[in-house]
Amino acid sequence: SQQGEEDPQALSIQEGENATMNCSYKTSINNLQWYRQNSGRGLVHLILIRSNEREKHSGRLRVTLDTSKKSSSLLITASRAADTASYFCATDDSGGSNYKLTFGKGTLLTVNP
Amino acid sequence: KAGVTQTPRYLIKTRGQQVTLSCSPISGHRSVSWYQQTPGQGLQFLFEYFSETQRNKGNFPGRFSGRQFSNSRSEMNVSTLELGDSALYLCASRREYPYEQYFGPGTRLTVT
Repeated sequence: SQQGEEDPQALSIQEGENATMNCSYKTSINNLQWYRQNSGRGLVHLILIRSNEREKHSGRLRVTLDTSKKSSSLLITASRAADTASYFCATDDSGGSNYKLTFGKGTLLTVNP
Repeated sequence: KAGVTQTPRYLIKTRGQQVTLSCSPISGHRSVSWYQQTPGQGLQFLFEYFSETQRNKGNFPGRFSGRQFSNSRSEMNVSTLELGDSALYLCASRREYPYEQYFGPGTRLTVT
């Protein structure tokens, strides 16, 4: 079953604009992670935010987490054509010794040059 | 540091056959997980191995199995292949803490 649900399913913007993707989940989590996937290739880890954190930054990425609303957002600032990819949120809702990630269906981001 | 490697990258099999996929984790990572990605179902967890023991298993039939060796390398096997097994199979490894998983490039399996 899908734990994380990304919104929107697809997003098309111009280079230089900001892109915001949202993720909602259903159960309590230990942490939430965002990944990028370029056209059927492997997933690239972007950022992990723990359940006791509210905001995290990494370069042009900003992630927020609202555990009361069971939601997270990923902001990519000053987007580039190379940011074109699918973005997935993944939640870890298991105990540390039974680790698994549950992924959403992803947001397809297209950045037009 | 080398990333997660998976072999083969592409595979074409016939219905009813079996297949074995291989994954070499990042050096020092003892946890290896497998995921299946299809357009219809998205990314789904198959199983996780740690120190040669399966610690967690997803909701897949018994045709899907795996193992981990003492050097943390892992294999997954799918027997009696069905058309619906066509997918991108992704392997990921991680340290126990922090919990980021690092994925390999995947094996694209096509069942005809």
